[in-house]
This record gives sequence, C-alpha cells and structure tokens, in this order.
Amino acid sequence: EAAVTQSPRNKVAVTGGKVTLSCNQTNNHNNMYWYRQDTGHGLRLIHYSYGAGSTEKGDIPDGYKASRPSQENFSLILELATPSQTSVYFCASGDAGTNSDYTFGSGTRLLVI
Amino acid sequence: GQQVQQSPASLVLQEGENAELQCNFSSTATRLQWFYQHPGGRLVSLFYNPSGTKHTGRLTSTTVTNERRSSLHISSSQTTDSGTYFCAIDRSSNYQLIWGSGTKLIIKP
Repeated sequence: EAAVTQSPRNKVAVTGGKVTLSCNQTNNHNNMYWYRQDTGHGLRLIHYSYGAGSTEKGDIPDGYKASRPSQENFSLILELATPSQTSVYFCASGDAGTNSDYTFGSGTRLLVI
Repeated sequence: GQQVQQSPASLVLQEGENAELQCNFSSTATRLQWFYQHPGGRLVSLFYNPSGTKHTGRLTSTTVTNERRSSLHISSSQTTDSGTYFCAIDRSSNYQLIWGSGTKLIIKP
C-alpha cells in the first residue's frame, strides 16, 4: 500500500541542537511537502520539492532547511533548534496530475526545550 | 495575499443532526480541497472539488468558484465524524496549498 512514513514520531531536542526529520513515500509522487501545525491552526508550508535534487521555500522557511536526495525521501533539517519550533510536523506527497491523491504522514511531534 | 477563511471555528451537534461547514477564499483558486483530521492527528483528503457538487457517502461538497466559497455538508452525523475539517486552495496549480484554520466538529452521542 502506498504510503508516507515519517520518523521519528516524537522528538525532544535541546535549544541550539540539530534536528533532522525524515520522510519516505512509496507513492512515486513527484511533489513532497513539509508543513507545521500549531495548536488551533491549519497547516503552514515550510519547504517543498518537485523531485529529486529540488527544494523550494514555502511560506515559513526561516530556520529550516530541506533535502530531497531521491524521489522517495525528503528531510527537514533544523540546524539550530529553538523553542519556537516546537510543533507538529507533517510530511505529504502529491502530484498535480492526480488531484485527489494527496497523502500525509502521521506527523512528528517536536518539543524543543 | 490569498486567504482561506472557515466558519464556524467549532460546531457541536447531537448525533443524527446535519452539519454545514463553510469555506471562503480570497482569490480564484485553481483547486479547492477538503481534508479531515482525526482527533488523533491523522490527516486524510476528503474531496478535491474546484467547482460544482460532489458526493461521497454522507458527505457533500459544493463549490461556487465565482463566489469564492465552498461548503461541506455532513448528513445524519455520527460520533465518528468528530474531528477537524480543513479546506485548502492551491495557489500555483502545483499543490502549494493554502490552508484555512479549520472547523472543529464534535458530535455528541
């Protein structure tokens, strides 16, 4: 079954530390996305990618980097984590040509202390 | 910039009642999509509906593009319908979605 898998599910990091969130998809979608969701809000786009080797800035990219080494994998990197980055992070994959096939991972709950 | 506004922010109903959720957006959307977030956090796509009316089971989505609004109707609600419903629009035809803040639906038994 096609899926989007995120790891880790939960993470506690210290301020100033480096955090890497990983995402793997088996949907063979070209596009992948990283969002964060804060309590009481919708999702906000951090970075996205059109394919292997491509990364683009979303609406709130400051403090985050992204890496797309392959079609299947898309990572979100916090080089210097801050408490304001405490949130739930969702990875998703999708293709413009398959409008209803937008698939999310289960989310990563990140706490920066 | 483009914005998506959802109403109501929260809705509490008794099981069996119908629910009507609204989504208004500030510019012509190339796509409009409805998503459901389970109480535990899992997100699923419900409808891709840029215009017209679509049905699936007890859910009906109606989008009137030139009026920049969409609605999600849930008939004969069940406790398992509880969760948060989001609408989102695509700004670029490449799935760069802008999300509303959601409607939290609680269905009481």
